[in-house]
Amino acid sequence: NAGVTQTPKFQVLKTGQSMTLQCAQDMNHNSMYWYRQDPGMGLRLIYYSASEGTTDKGEVPNGYNVSRLNKREFSLRLESAAPSQTSVYFCASRMGGAGSYEQYFGPGTRLTVT
Amino acid sequence: SQQGEEDPQALSIQEGENATMNCSYKTSINNLQWYRQNSGRGLVHLILIRSNEREKHSGRLRVTLDTSKKSSSLLITASRAADTASYFCATDDTDKLIFGTGTRLQVFP
Repeated sequence: NAGVTQTPKFQVLKTGQSMTLQCAQDMNHNSMYWYRQDPGMGLRLIYYSASEGTTDKGEVPNGYNVSRLNKREFSLRLESAAPSQTSVYFCASRMGGAGSYEQYFGPGTRLTVT
Repeated sequence: SQQGEEDPQALSIQEGENATMNCSYKTSINNLQWYRQNSGRGLVHLILIRSNEREKHSGRLRVTLDTSKKSSSLLITASRAADTASYFCATDDTDKLIFGTGTRLQVFP
């Protein structure tokens, strides 16, 4: 099993450009998450999908949109990138439900917006 | 704002010493989890403690939870250079985890 995979690994954008970060998991998990991590900081939740067909805002959703394409895939879109969105983005998944399950993380996407 | 706050923000110790990290949180929880992050990598789950548990062990890890004080601690015994990483607590809010700001642990050989 590959676990949680993210593409791309690195990306440089100019201000105003758009892009989509892709995430896929092969563990048949119900819940998927997008976080951002800024230098020296913890993870902040951007959006999450508790189950296929649902998405909800996290702590820092402004400037982002998400799509739960199917049970395996959860994408994060930046419509008009801003320098403040320079960060490392992590996707995660877990079985979900009762809330007593660990999360599995992807390797991250390092995004720089100039 | 983030749910958990770890203390200290950074910790440097020698191999063989014990490392203790603390986490305080704000609201009621179902469980609390600890994760480890090696530099530049994704987080890896270490241990989960449920709200009705007070202490849990896993290898060299010992976690305590005090729900009356809304705090948890992670103890790593007999630390090794390979334990050098950032450690995060995360509170479980039924359908999502909220992470703290982390403790950066440096273990010198």
